[in-house]
Amino acid sequence: EPEVTQTPSHQVTQMGQEVILRCVPISNHLYFYWYRQILGQKVEFLVSFYNNEISEKSEIFDDQFSVERPDGSNFTLKIRSTKLEDSAMYFCASSSKTTGEGNTIYFGEGSWLTVV
Amino acid sequence: GQQVMQIPQYQHVQEGEDFTTYCNSSTTLSNIQWYKQRPGGHPVFLIQLVKSGEVKKQKRLTFQFGEAKKNSSLHITATQTTDVGTYFCAVSGGYQKVTFGTGTKLQVIP
Repeated sequence: EPEVTQTPSHQVTQMGQEVILRCVPISNHLYFYWYRQILGQKVEFLVSFYNNEISEKSEIFDDQFSVERPDGSNFTLKIRSTKLEDSAMYFCASSSKTTGEGNTIYFGEGSWLTVV
Repeated sequence: GQQVMQIPQYQHVQEGEDFTTYCNSSTTLSNIQWYKQRPGGHPVFLIQLVKSGEVKKQKRLTFQFGEAKKNSSLHITATQTTDVGTYFCAVSGGYQKVTFGTGTKLQVIP
């Protein structure tokens, strides 16, 4: 079964540093997402991306965050000037149709970010 | 944005017992999705419900969407240790945003 792959699986970074989390969505998917899950809490929507631009974002996704699709396969999440509270599991996801059509979202295994 | 609450937050059951988690919203939902997240794992899509009163089954799992489309439930018959994990309901709001519920963490005691 095709899958979403994420790297790194775990990253430790100093507070104030920038991190880039990478994702390779499923190849024929058109819609890409980043979600965040703080330890023990629910999965929170950050941003969705379609046709090379952000289509929707949450209040969490402020100027500290950015996303990019630098080539035909990768989808990245950049977090500038990391804070302690950014420590969380970051999940990338993709789907072939808009979720408004009730399509399945496939999640990657996550990148665990620890800010120290 | 749309908010969904799930109850209970935690549930411990003996293996073989049934389990039910409930998802409630104050507003009418266009659809509802259910996900399972194993400990240390990522959310895995289970099913989507769209129609009022809809009931779907997957082996020992039964999913129901309320008549008013404001609530949903997931029922597991005769739980097994492989059922351990957190079950999330989720709703599509807006164009692509999926909002997850608070989740119910299921522990199955062998």
